[in-house]
Amino acid sequence: SQQGEEDPQALSIQEGENATMNCSYKTSINNLQWYRQNSGRGLVHLILIRSNEREKHSGRLRVTLDTSKKSSSLLITASRAADTASYFCARLNINDYKLSFGAGTTVTVRA
Amino acid sequence: NAGVTQTPKFQVLKTGQSMTLQCAQDMNHNSMYWYRQDPGMGLRLIYYSASEGTTDKGEVPNGYNVSRLNKREFSLRLESAAPSQTSVYFCASSEFTSQFFGPGTRLTVL
Repeated sequence: SQQGEEDPQALSIQEGENATMNCSYKTSINNLQWYRQNSGRGLVHLILIRSNEREKHSGRLRVTLDTSKKSSSLLITASRAADTASYFCARLNINDYKLSFGAGTTVTVRA
Repeated sequence: NAGVTQTPKFQVLKTGQSMTLQCAQDMNHNSMYWYRQDPGMGLRLIYYSASEGTTDKGEVPNGYNVSRLNKREFSLRLESAAPSQTSVYFCASSEFTSQFFGPGTRLTVL
């Protein structure tokens, strides 16, 4: 069973706008990771945030983690057409060190 | 440095046929994984191998077997394919926590 949900399921924005997606989970985690999947391709690791971190940046990506609410968010700033993809959060379970993926958020960036 | 490679890219099987999906990584990673991805479901773990010589069941192992042939290769076998196994299959490898994924195998079982 999936460990949580991404929200929204789909997002359509104009180029240059920011995109925010959220991820909730149910059990304790060691870390939380975000992956991107372009259509017809494998997943690519974007960023990892540890359970003792609250915010992390990587280029135009900003990830936050609130362990008290068991939630995380991914912000993509100044979006580009190339950001069109599905984004998945994955929780590393503290008990068995397996990754659990959500169903993903599909982001479409309109030119 | 090819990363994680998977063969074949596409496969169509009839119900009851068997096949093996191949995966290889050239990053010297200890851990390897097999996932399936179905629409609206995200990725679900089928089997994983924490190190050469070990394999363990994931969330959805029924109908599958795996072999960790050596450190580089991890194969997934469907002994008697069923339509419910129509999916996209991804292999991944990792050394610590983040995983590297192959391009996937799109399998259709008629």
